[in-house]
Amino acid sequence: QQQVKQSPQSLIVQKGGISIINCAYENTAFDYFPWYQQFPGKGPALLIAIRPDVSEKKEGRFTISFNKSAKQFSLHIMDSQPGDSATYFCAALAGGSYIPTFGRGTSLIVHP
Amino acid sequence: KAGVTQTPRYLIKTRGQQVTLSCSPISGHRSVSWYQQTPGQGLQFLFEYFSETQRNKGNFPGRFSGRQFSNSRSEMNVSTLELGDSALYLCASSEQGINSPLHFGNGTRLTVT
Repeated sequence: QQQVKQSPQSLIVQKGGISIINCAYENTAFDYFPWYQQFPGKGPALLIAIRPDVSEKKEGRFTISFNKSAKQFSLHIMDSQPGDSATYFCAALAGGSYIPTFGRGTSLIVHP
Repeated sequence: KAGVTQTPRYLIKTRGQQVTLSCSPISGHRSVSWYQQTPGQGLQFLFEYFSETQRNKGNFPGRFSGRQFSNSRSEMNVSTLELGDSALYLCASSEQGINSPLHFGNGTRLTVT
């Protein structure tokens, strides 16, 4: 059973465009939502994270939007650049848990 | 600080063999977890060790096992390899705190023929 559903599986965006990746969850015990970025040949690295007490968190061109009632959260990459081409994983952790549940990932390609 | 180091980077094994993968965490990190990454299933949690004890375990068969040493280094072993075990195996370390970010190594690419 997939506890964190991520979409789309792949995404192609033109340079300068907005990339949007969505995730949904069912477990209301989740209370911490990190996003990881993985470049080819590398392990994932933490990009940005949010808690459900805020609806939005922005770090540079990357923004997480969180909708607690809908149990959905999304990553927006503004002014997407070819260097943003990578696989993005959303994740969720329940209170007191050390182990995140990952979405299946989104492969993002940004064309120059 | 040096990052998480995984060795070897690539492995080719034959069905039925066993394999041992190694992970050296970031200095000071006492939690080490292992993930299997495949194109179809994404990142799947194998197990997590903290202070030489397995603290969490994912839904993998008993052929997958691990251990952690007193210096926090960890090894993962897969016995009786199957073709479906071909994957990228990632190790991650983290500090003790809840919601501490995972720091991943670059993985070991295992191919079973």
